Amino acid sequence: DIVLTQSPATLSLSPGDRATLSCRASQSFGSKSLAWYQQKPGQAPRLLIFGVSSRATGIPDRFSGSGSGTDFTLTISRLEPEDFAVYYCQQYRSSHTFGQGTKLEIK
Amino acid sequence: QVQLVQSGAEVKKPGSSVKVSCKASGGIFRSYAISWVRQAPGQGPEWMGGIIPMFNITDYAQNFQDRLTITADESTTTAYMELNSLRFEDTAVYYCARGGFSGSFYVSFDFWGQGTLVSVSS
Repeated sequence: DIVLTQSPATLSLSPGDRATLSCRASQSFGSKSLAWYQQKPGQAPRLLIFGVSSRATGIPDRFSGSGSGTDFTLTISRLEPEDFAVYYCQQYRSSHTFGQGTKLEIK
Repeated sequence: QVQLVQSGAEVKKPGSSVKVSCKASGGIFRSYAISWVRQAPGQGPEWMGGIIPMFNITDYAQNFQDRLTITADESTTTAYMELNSLRFEDTAVYYCARGGFSGSFYVSFDFWGQGTLVSVSS
């Protein structure tokens, strides 16, 4: 299985800051089969990014994804109060696996 | 707008079975994979398996192959997940989720159900 490791586990920032979240895969997958989700307490995950860098329907352009090979990044250019949540990466190149998440908290 | 509505919370004893339903509306049911994803308290999501109703084909994660059955009823646009031989560690929120592209299991999930809490307790 492809294991996804997210870092940091917790990220403390303020509204208006730029957030950079990392997702590293245990092996390179030579396709764009990586997605990012946002999850708030008591809610289902919400798709933000698919295919490494494509925004899902209705997702603001302050969210962007990038990367290739084994290293992928979710960037939130300017944090809004509603962006504080847990973020998960997912690969769907070989079955499906998710990372353990990065909690984005208010500093 | 696609909506996935799941059945309610369950409390089960170890060794028993649970069956959770997921009713889809607002989109094309038959050609998109419906996957089941669970999330234990404080953990990341875990994909269990899925079904493409149009072809009635299923795909299961290796961890669940021997005790998981996923089915779909096109007439009621409802998918089902049945997990047998329940253990304490199966306590989790179980989600159904729709694949974002037609005809494939290996896609991102664009719509999710609200989740069903399954508690395994003696």
